[in-house]
Amino acid sequence: AQSVTQLDSHVSVSEGTPVLLRCNYSSSYSPSLFWYVQHPNKGLQLLLKYTSAATLVKGINGFEAEFKKSETSFHLTKPSAHMSDAAEYFCVVSDRTGTYKYIFGTGTRLKVLA
Amino acid sequence: NAGVMQNPRHLVRRRGQEARLRCSPMKGHSHVYWYRQLPEEGLKFMVYLQKENIIDESGMPKERFSAEFPKEGPSILRIQQVVRGDSAAYFCASSPSDSKNSPLHFGNGTRLTVT
Repeated sequence: AQSVTQLDSHVSVSEGTPVLLRCNYSSSYSPSLFWYVQHPNKGLQLLLKYTSAATLVKGINGFEAEFKKSETSFHLTKPSAHMSDAAEYFCVVSDRTGTYKYIFGTGTRLKVLA
Repeated sequence: NAGVMQNPRHLVRRRGQEARLRCSPMKGHSHVYWYRQLPEEGLKFMVYLQKENIIDESGMPKERFSAEFPKEGPSILRIQQVVRGDSAAYFCASSPSDSKNSPLHFGNGTRLTVT
């Protein structure tokens, strides 16, 4: 069965400092992995996706993530946080093991301090 | 190119009433998913539909909840005899195929409040 764990429910960083949001997954197959961002009272916006091509994936707004099979991780990073990055971030796994569900992590709320 | 459109954005219902949530997928997308989000929680899968077919409804309560995606028109999530515990944000997402590589495209959600 597939599952995803976001290791931190809340992360606070100062503006201009690096961001690290951690995600570990479990999958019996070759998974596809996604990161989404949700601003208050908005829907989810796709930041980036991994689909078995390059393990280092670049997304929008300066975010990137690295797929590490040996560690079953897909952590999201950004070199320098901006105030507008404050939001909820969701890691998602999909491996199509006969079902059609994308499994969401419980989310990490990122706070950016001035 | 319009994104996923959900309406209404906010819906208030009294206990016992019916709630109808609508979702128009992106143009060219024939796969629709419904998710529920409670405050401070992640998204919980409810149902996956293709045109005129329910593919997977394992996340949807068996009573009071139903979903459809007709040949013409939007997908509808229907909640009969609403209770306070149904208060949540309901998100619709669409994708162009059932490939695991296809990301979901989300609407802005419908926030249901049951009074």
